[in-house]
Amino acid sequence: NAGVTQTPKFRVLKTGQSMTLLCAQDMNHEYMYWYRQDPGMGLRLIHYSVGEGTTAKGEVPDGYNVSRLKKQNFLLGLESAAPSQTSVYFCASSYGTSGDPVYEQYFGPGTRLTVT
Amino acid sequence: ILNVEQSPQSLHVQEGDSTNFTCSFPSSNFYALHWYRWETAKSPEALFVMTLNGDEKKKGRISATLNTKEGYSYLYIKGSQPEDSATYLCAPGGSNYKLTFGKGTLLTVNP
Repeated sequence: NAGVTQTPKFRVLKTGQSMTLLCAQDMNHEYMYWYRQDPGMGLRLIHYSVGEGTTAKGEVPDGYNVSRLKKQNFLLGLESAAPSQTSVYFCASSYGTSGDPVYEQYFGPGTRLTVT
Repeated sequence: ILNVEQSPQSLHVQEGDSTNFTCSFPSSNFYALHWYRWETAKSPEALFVMTLNGDEKKKGRISATLNTKEGYSYLYIKGSQPEDSATYLCAPGGSNYKLTFGKGTLLTVNP
């Protein structure tokens, strides 16, 4: 049982390049989330998904796109990377049924992205 | 976006001291309050999820209380140990699947 895994762990991009971060979970969780963590800002929600085929915007969605084609995977895309997107990205998943946030979130190990 | 305040921002204690910190959040549209422990170079791990006013939860030397009417939660650590050094995050959630994380309290326990 690997829990939540993220690929890659580190990446350096040049401004304007694109990339996709992959999050995978093996706990059969319905809900998945992408956060970014910046110094002094705490964890901020980028996008989330409440089930296969669904996605929704979080607090800071601009410049990112997501897809949830399979229940176990949640992809975060950067179409044209900018230095402001330099951050540590965390994926999380949780069990959920009714939409109430009463189940703990399980976090992946993070992806450290630098955009130069 | 909820306004979540955690205090203090950082805290240094000696091994064996007991300590506590606060999470304040809007009391409207409240469904749950999560506490997470985040060690350096690791990922956040859930400590507690509380939903009812007056809830108290305990895990070993760590406990938490919840007051949903006035919008605050306390986290207590009894007899702090160096391995308790971490950032402690609180995150309230409303009826929309999402949590809003506070900036955390960084606890350092000196041996």
